Amino acid sequence: GENVEQHPSTLSVQEGDSAVIKCTYSDSASNYFPWYKQELGKRPQLIIDIRSNVGEKKDQRIAVTLNKTAKHFSLHITETQPEDSAVYFCAASRGGGYNKLIFGAGTRLAVHP
Amino acid sequence: IAGITQAPTSQILAAGRRMTLRCTQDMRHNAMYWYRQDLGLGLRLIHYSNTAGTTGKGEVPDGYSVSRANTDDFPLTLASAVPSQTSVYFCASRPQASSYNEQFFGPGTRLTVL
Repeated sequence: GENVEQHPSTLSVQEGDSAVIKCTYSDSASNYFPWYKQELGKRPQLIIDIRSNVGEKKDQRIAVTLNKTAKHFSLHITETQPEDSAVYFCAASRGGGYNKLIFGAGTRLAVHP
Repeated sequence: IAGITQAPTSQILAAGRRMTLRCTQDMRHNAMYWYRQDLGLGLRLIHYSNTAGTTGKGEVPDGYSVSRANTDDFPLTLASAVPSQTSVYFCASRPQASSYNEQFFGPGTRLTVL
């Protein structure tokens, strides 16, 4: 079945450093890739998403890159701040017809001052 | 505007008891979902509904049932709770199941089955 693998499971960085989280997906028909951030005790919230017709998308300090050939996509956070500390989930789904998001297992990011 | 709400916030339940987790959204979203979140396992889909009157099974449906009598409500029922159903349950919705749009999550229900 469809599967999304996410690495690393935990990531610790110093404030100001960059953080990269990587995901691979199994369904070659996937063409929508959102990223969610979940702060401790809170609900997941969408922070950025990308469709398969583009290779990169940026929004201030966060960016997502997509390599459809290799079936992997990554989240890049630059100039990390303590408030970036959270669990980040990648997800993938097919477009067209009824589709469901398949989530990765999550990455716990800790940004140390 | 409340968005998407869940009740109860938390619950401790004896094994074997029946329990219904409630989910309501006021955004007129067609698609709704139930996930469970366990440490290290991310968000796993239990059941979904692409539109009112229809439901489908996700990746971990056993022991759970859902109904979608109207657009706003999507209750999740545990017919006879077991300790392995201890988890945090999130309800989610999105405008359409068939397009690229944001999926919104409820605040979650923390369920403990003893």
